[in-house]
Amino acid sequence: AQKITQTQPGMFVQEKEAVTLDCTYDTSDQSYGLFWYKQPSSGEMIFLIYQGSYDEQNATEGRYSLNFQKARKSANLVISASQLGDSAMYFCAMREGGVYNNNDMRFGAGTRLTVKP
Amino acid sequence: EAEVAQSPRYKITEKSQAVAFWCDPISGHATLYWYRQILGQGPELLVQFQDESVVDDSQLPKDRFSAERLKGVDSTLKIQPAELGDSAMYLCASSSRDRRSGEQYFGPGTRLTVT
Repeated sequence: AQKITQTQPGMFVQEKEAVTLDCTYDTSDQSYGLFWYKQPSSGEMIFLIYQGSYDEQNATEGRYSLNFQKARKSANLVISASQLGDSAMYFCAMREGGVYNNNDMRFGAGTRLTVKP
Repeated sequence: EAEVAQSPRYKITEKSQAVAFWCDPISGHATLYWYRQILGQGPELLVQFQDESVVDDSQLPKDRFSAERLKGVDSTLKIQPAELGDSAMYLCASSSRDRRSGEQYFGPGTRLTVT
């Protein structure tokens, strides 16, 4: 069974600094996708970034990058130049199966990030 | 930009009453998901539809929960009767097989409080 672990219940970062949110996963599948979502206090889940298990390069989307270490089964999210609006819950998720599939995702417990001015 | 619509945004109901949530996915998205998110936890899948067919409802408490997507577009999730433990955020999401990553797009959610 797939499992996602986020060991940091809460993190603080100073505005304009970088922060890394940890995520480890467990799966026996060779093909899978890893996702990060942001959930502000308003409740909606916002898709941030995706990494496929066979992608050779780490994914980047603007200020977000995913530090993918396949052998260690970790998929950490790095947010550069933190902004006050980055304060939110962040969820790591995994979906087993290859690309172009719609299998369900499993989510971690989340990390609450607080950006301090 | 296309969005997933959900209503109501907030619902307060007494235990043993019936409650229903509605979701309209992004146009053209064949796959629709209903998740339940208990405070302080990540979302957990309740049911997944591919067009009008249920793909996975293994975690849906079928004695009290039901879900339908009759025409393969919008969907309704019902709870009858509601219990105190059903208090949670109910999230709807949709995805398209046309996208390599297959990311899911979420609606704003319905926050249910059972008293």
